[in-house]
Formats: sequence, structure tokens, C-alpha cells
Amino acid sequence: SQTIHQWPATLVQPVGSPLSLECTVEGTSNPNLYWYRQAAGRGLQLLFYSVGIGQISSEVPQNLSASRPQDRQFILSSKKLLLSDSGFYLCAWSVHGGETQYFGPGTRLLVL
Amino acid sequence: GEDVEQSLFLSVREGDSSVINCTYTDSSSTYLYWYKQEPGAGLQLLTYIFSNMDMKQDQRLTVLLNKKDKHLSLRIADTQTGDSAIYFCAENQGYKLSFGAGTTVTVRA
Repeated sequence: SQTIHQWPATLVQPVGSPLSLECTVEGTSNPNLYWYRQAAGRGLQLLFYSVGIGQISSEVPQNLSASRPQDRQFILSSKKLLLSDSGFYLCAWSVHGGETQYFGPGTRLLVL
Repeated sequence: GEDVEQSLFLSVREGDSSVINCTYTDSSSTYLYWYKQEPGAGLQLLTYIFSNMDMKQDQRLTVLLNKKDKHLSLRIADTQTGDSAIYFCAENQGYKLSFGAGTTVTVRA
């Protein structure tokens, strides 16, 4: 069966510091991968998606970037965090070419 | 504004039925989804319906789809305290999903 992992679970970072959040998927090959942000009391905003290694599409201009160095690894990064980057970050995967997405447990980021 | 709209809150008594409503905008969506999010957790896929269906039942869950009105609903029968959560409606736009803001369901004794 497929599983999706995210770490860390919680992160507190100062403004201006770098960020690296990791997501890995097990039990499937060549998945589509997604990064979402959920602000308090809001729905999910799609940040990035990837259909293959090194292929990243950005949905919203922002202070963040994403990379996919391996087939089942998706990384969300920032060089300098802003207060507005605080939120709950969710990674998801779907079968390549499929629509149904399955979510990881999320990383809660607090920027102070 | 949101492409997918849901009411923000629902309070229901334990044992009663809950009905969560959603409207969407993309008539070309092939799938419509309901996800559940418990406090501090990720999203759990509850159920989904293919756009050429008008109803799907899965144990205590019943999904109704009115494609003409672009209206989707989720009925939870015999609501339990463990059903307290945020419920998200989503429509697919290709391989991307567009989510509503979520309905917070509170189950009271």
C-alpha cells in the first residue's frame, strides 16, 4: 500500500531564516506530487505541483520554491522566511495522470 | 472568490443526520470529492463521486450530485462525536483540485 510522509511535523523559525520541508511517498512510482498551504480558517491553496523529476509548476508567485530531486521526494524551500509564510503545509500525491489526491499528515510552520 | 463554496459551520446533535452542502463552478469536472480533516491532521479522503452519477452510498455516507445546479451534498447518518471535523468539498480541474473553505461540523451530546 502507499504511504506519504512529511517532516518535520512542527517547525518554529525566525523571520529571515531558510526553510526546507520534505515529503516522500512510498509504494508507488512516478506519482504526481503537490504542495498546498492552509492558512488558519481557510481552505487549501495549491502552491506547486510536479508530474515528474525536475518538473515543477508554480501556481502562486511567492517567497517559496519547490524541487523534486527524486521520483518520490518533493521538497518545499525558502531562502528567507516571512511572517506571512506561517501556516499548515500539506503534501499530496496522485497516480500519474489520475485525479484523486491523497494527503500527508502536514507540517505546521510558525514564523516569528 | 472561491470556485467551490460551502457553509462554514454546522452543529448537529449526536445520532441525528448531518447534511453538508457545496456548490462548484467547473461543469467539466469529472470527479467531486469529500475530504475530512481532524484537528492538527492532514486531509483524509472520505468519498468521491464520478460526475455521471447522481448518488453514491458508502455505509453512513451518502453523496448526492445535482450536475444541473452544480450542487454536491454529503449526508452523514447517525452522526457520532468522532465525526466532529472540518469537511472539504473539492472538484477536479484536470489533475488539480479546487477546494472549498471547509465546513466545521460540531457534534453535541
